[in-house]
Amino acid sequence: GAVVSQHPSRVICKSGTSVKIECRSLDFQATTMFWYRQFPKQSLMLMATSNEGSKATYEQGVEKDKFLINHASLTLSTLTVTSAHPEDSSFYICSARNRVKSADTQYFGPGTRLTVL
Amino acid sequence: GENVEQHPSTLSVQEGDSAVIKCTYSDSASNYFPWYKQELGKGPQLIIDIRSNVGEKKDQRIAVTLNKTAKHFSLHITETQPEDSAVYFCAASIGGNTPLVFGKGTRLSVIA
Repeated sequence: GAVVSQHPSRVICKSGTSVKIECRSLDFQATTMFWYRQFPKQSLMLMATSNEGSKATYEQGVEKDKFLINHASLTLSTLTVTSAHPEDSSFYICSARNRVKSADTQYFGPGTRLTVL
Repeated sequence: GENVEQHPSTLSVQEGDSAVIKCTYSDSASNYFPWYKQELGKGPQLIIDIRSNVGEKKDQRIAVTLNKTAKHFSLHITETQPEDSAVYFCAASIGGNTPLVFGKGTRLSVIA
């Protein structure tokens, strides 16, 4: 149990285009999902906290109009990188918390490698 | 807010030896401390966690200890194997829906 999937696993896009990344909890309902960004050889940087049915809470320095987060159901959250630029190239990882049990525990998805040309 | 320090940043051990990674945290309200293993190009995988009402937890070759007074916790891997080579992250949170705060990671290399 506690499987989190992400789609796509890898995406290459042109500068100025938008990219949507999906995060799904496959076998549990997630009260909260988190979106992280990770640059090479660095730790995970929290971008935003996403609660089902409400607006996401963004960390300081993260542009909410550029990184659109939608948490439409208890099993799906999406991150859309709008008007992507090369500096947005990174490894994007989501995580989810189980609604019913082990509320503290975060389960991570496999990540999405975004490359903006 | 919470700050988590992790040491060492890199660690090399011979196969079969033990590896120890240490973390300190600043917020005494933190009560949940997970450890994640991240292999290249993959998402972090939870390997063990501990809550503040417990001082030690073990799962086969992996153990975690927590010293609430000193505000530090450690990961111990015994009988290391080459497949243990990865980046390990510690984290802390005050629980509930609050985000985890991560350490900067430790790159463990197990030399066969």
